Amino acid sequence: GAGVSQSPSNKVTEKGKDVELRCDPISGHTALYWYRQSLGQGLEFLIYFQGNSAPDKSGLPSDRFSAERTGGSVSTLTIQRTQQEDSAVYLCASSLGPGAATDTQYFGPGTRLTVL
Amino acid sequence: QKEVEQNSGPLSVPEGAIASLNCTYSDRGSQSFFWYRQYSGKSPELIMSIYSNGDKEDGRFTAQLNKASQYVSLLIRDSQPSDSATYLCAVIEGSNYKLTFGKGTLLTVNP
Repeated sequence: GAGVSQSPSNKVTEKGKDVELRCDPISGHTALYWYRQSLGQGLEFLIYFQGNSAPDKSGLPSDRFSAERTGGSVSTLTIQRTQQEDSAVYLCASSLGPGAATDTQYFGPGTRLTVL
Repeated sequence: QKEVEQNSGPLSVPEGAIASLNCTYSDRGSQSFFWYRQYSGKSPELIMSIYSNGDKEDGRFTAQLNKASQYVSLLIRDSQPSDSATYLCAVIEGSNYKLTFGKGTLLTVNP
């Protein structure tokens, strides 16, 4: 079946511009996660959704970052007033949910964001 | 600060040998442990999950968990050049859901 999909695959933007990154989870997966992978920092958790609710936003690095999920499916991660340190690969993962520790997270292909 | 530590490598093994990848974690409350493989420029792909002490085998892969020592390892038997990738150890604490990743070990299998 179809895996997690993300768009765009690559995004180049200028410092100060806003960007939106999209994630389509695996059909039937109620839990959705955003992670960020940057050189030297490894993979970092950003936010977790269960259905349309985000009970854990603790990983969002600043208030320039926000995310939403609609219809228990598609999620959008928005970065406002982008900075060069935002350059990274943004990875989305989904799992059956409801986010139990034994639940397996499957990753999408990622969006590579470059802020000039 | 919960930490997951891995040797960054690179770990180089000849084709057909056993590759041994190690990981330690700081949080004794950790309950779930995962090994992901990541090819250059690609996203992480789940290889193994393990939740109980002992060994878990799946084909050429064996995961080993020792909660008392806070240690988890991945053995790859009969290593192939296609196994060359970065291997990421990831941990979930308790009833949490966030994956905490190590920085990965780069494995190179030489033909």
